[in-house]
Amino acid sequence: GQQVMQIPQYQHVQEGEDFTTYCNSSTTLSNIQWYKQRPGGHPVFLIQLVKSGEVKKQKRLTFQFGEAKKNSSLHITATQTTDVGTYFCAGDAGGTSYGKLTFGQGTILTVHP
Amino acid sequence: NAGVTQTPKFRILKIGQSMTLQCTQDMNHNYMYWYRQDPGMGLKLIYYSVGAGITDKGEVPNGYNVSRSTTEDFPLRLELAAPSQTSVYFCASSGGRRNQPQHFGDGTRLSIL
Repeated sequence: GQQVMQIPQYQHVQEGEDFTTYCNSSTTLSNIQWYKQRPGGHPVFLIQLVKSGEVKKQKRLTFQFGEAKKNSSLHITATQTTDVGTYFCAGDAGGTSYGKLTFGQGTILTVHP
Repeated sequence: NAGVTQTPKFRILKIGQSMTLQCTQDMNHNYMYWYRQDPGMGLKLIYYSVGAGITDKGEVPNGYNVSRSTTEDFPLRLELAAPSQTSVYFCASSGGRRNQPQHFGDGTRLSIL
C-alpha cells in the first residue's frame, strides 16, 4: 500500500532559526496536504498542494510540491515559539481514494526561546 | 459552528469491555473518517464513510466496527477492548469533493488496562 515517509522525526531549534521538514511518498499523489498539531491538540489543516512543482506561501511558511508529485517540503523562516507542534504531511492518492489520506509520521518541532 | 464533536474526551476501559466512541459533525459533510494516533506516531485510518449507509475499512480496522445511519453521525465501536487499542482516537470529516481538507474533532483519549 501507499507509504508516506517524513523526516526528520524531531527538530529542536533556537527561536529565529529556520526549520524544514520533508515528505516522500512511495506513489504519485493527486494532492498533498499539510497539518499542524499543537501538543495535546488535534490536527489542523494548513494547506493543500495539487499541481506539480507548486509553491505556496503563508507568511513565514513555504510549502513545495515536487515535480513528480511524490515529495513535498515545509519550510518555516525565523521560527517563533508559536510554531511549536507536530507537522504532518498527508498524501491523497486520488482516483477512488475518496479523500483518504495517508499521513506521514510527523516532525515534532521544539523552539527554544 | 461546532464542527466535529467527539465524546467522551477521556475514558479508561478494562480489558474485554466494549464501548462506543461518538462522533458528530454539523457541516453536512459526506465523508467521515476515524483515525488512531499512537504516541509519537502519525495517524492511522481505521474506517471511513462516504455517506450514510456506506462504510469501508481503512488501514487498521481489526477490533473495531462502525456504522453510518445519518450524515451527521459516525460512531466507532470497540468490542472486547485490548491493551493494544490504547490510543488517541480522532474523527474527521470532509466535504467529499476532490481535494477537500479534513476537519478533526478534539479526540478521545482511551486507555485499556
